[in-house]
Amino acid sequence: ETGVTQSPTHLIKTRGQQVTLRCSSQSGHNTVSWYQQALGQGPQFIFQYYREEENGRGNFPPRFSGLQFPNYSSELNVNALELDDSALYLCASSLEPQETQYFGPGTRLLVL
Amino acid sequence: KNEVEQSPQNLTAQEGEFITINCSYSVGISALHWLQQHPGGGIVSLFMLSSGKKKHGRLIATINIQEKHSSLHITASHPRDSAVYICAVRGGAQKLVFGQGTRLTINP
Repeated sequence: ETGVTQSPTHLIKTRGQQVTLRCSSQSGHNTVSWYQQALGQGPQFIFQYYREEENGRGNFPPRFSGLQFPNYSSELNVNALELDDSALYLCASSLEPQETQYFGPGTRLLVL
Repeated sequence: KNEVEQSPQNLTAQEGEFITINCSYSVGISALHWLQQHPGGGIVSLFMLSSGKKKHGRLIATINIQEKHSSLHITASHPRDSAVYICAVRGGAQKLVFGQGTRLTINP
């Protein structure tokens, strides 16, 4: 059984560009949640996907969008990147939305 | 005021000491999580609890729903326990709300 994996591990982009981050959920998990963690801060909830549908969203603008595939892997897309988008992006998968979340190693994004 | 407050923000102790990290929250919750984050970012879920007390090895987590307070205790602390410990609560909309974290350093 593999754990939660994320790709890429690190990424550098410039303002205005678009980025896609990927997350493979743990085997058997149908729920993926995405979080943004700025340096020195706790993670902030972006959104959650359950069985390919968005199942809750935090206070992030529409340029943050997501997708969940039939195999329950997920993507986070960010358009029109801003400097403040520089952060560690974490995904977590769970058996069901209310169950314990298992976190991936994160993708560290730097926007210049 | 943040919905989830942790104290202390930083804690340095000697190997073997008993450690307590506190978490207070201001919203109604269905569950509270304690997480451990090591340098580099990886997060490990330690506990999920909605009442009472849970124990795993040298770690103990307690929650008092009436007082909206939880504590994480580490007995016989070890340098490998050095990490950031994060409290997170599950409220509505499947949303986890995180505290700022407590940076724990255990010196040999």
